[in-house]
Amino acid sequence: DSGVTQTPKHLITATGQRVTLRCSPRSGDLSVYWYQQSLDQGLQFLIQYYNGEERAKGNILERFSAQQFPDLHSELNLSSLELGDSALYFCASSDSGAVDEQFFGPGTRLTVL
Amino acid sequence: AQSVTQPDIHITVSEGASLELRCNYSYGATPYLFWYVQSPGQGLQLLLKYFSGDTLVQGIKGFEAEFKRSQSSFNLRKPSVHWSDAAEYFCAVVTHTGNQFYFGTGTSLTVIP
Repeated sequence: DSGVTQTPKHLITATGQRVTLRCSPRSGDLSVYWYQQSLDQGLQFLIQYYNGEERAKGNILERFSAQQFPDLHSELNLSSLELGDSALYFCASSDSGAVDEQFFGPGTRLTVL
Repeated sequence: AQSVTQPDIHITVSEGASLELRCNYSYGATPYLFWYVQSPGQGLQLLLKYFSGDTLVQGIKGFEAEFKRSQSSFNLRKPSVHWSDAAEYFCAVVTHTGNQFYFGTGTSLTVIP
């Protein structure tokens, strides 16, 4: 158990819909990272937040957005969903904004029908 | 742009045999290097990391990796594989200028009795 929690574990929705994925980092960790893992794209970095502020941005679509709240939990919002958005979405946390080990949550499996 | 290559998509070894998983990176300077393991249905767990210093690093579960600057490689090794090592292994790099992790496409390890 990494100490990072993600909800829900599974999510099934339809194209065009909007969903919110939630992540709670390890106690004391200030950085949260979001990743998308799919069979064709592999593990792709989406975005990082550090202490409430966006720190780094990767291959995140404009239809996707994220935020980190004062209690340091984070949410990833996916809108206008397409079939290709079906993937495993991981959240990871680390204790600083600098490069260091990231602790991964168990992931949320999103299926878009 | 930075990239990580794991040339072996799938490897099968016998239990007790030695293992080497290959990782090559493309980056102008020495990046920070990581190996993660992902068991089925689980998040990623850090095996080991290299930031600087001794080029042979020891990790958890009996794994080690050697950084070779001349070959831009960071291969993962284990002298004797156990059935519980069957999993997906990911190499990742982070540059000194950013927090973005670049993951390889992964190597799936099967261990046969």
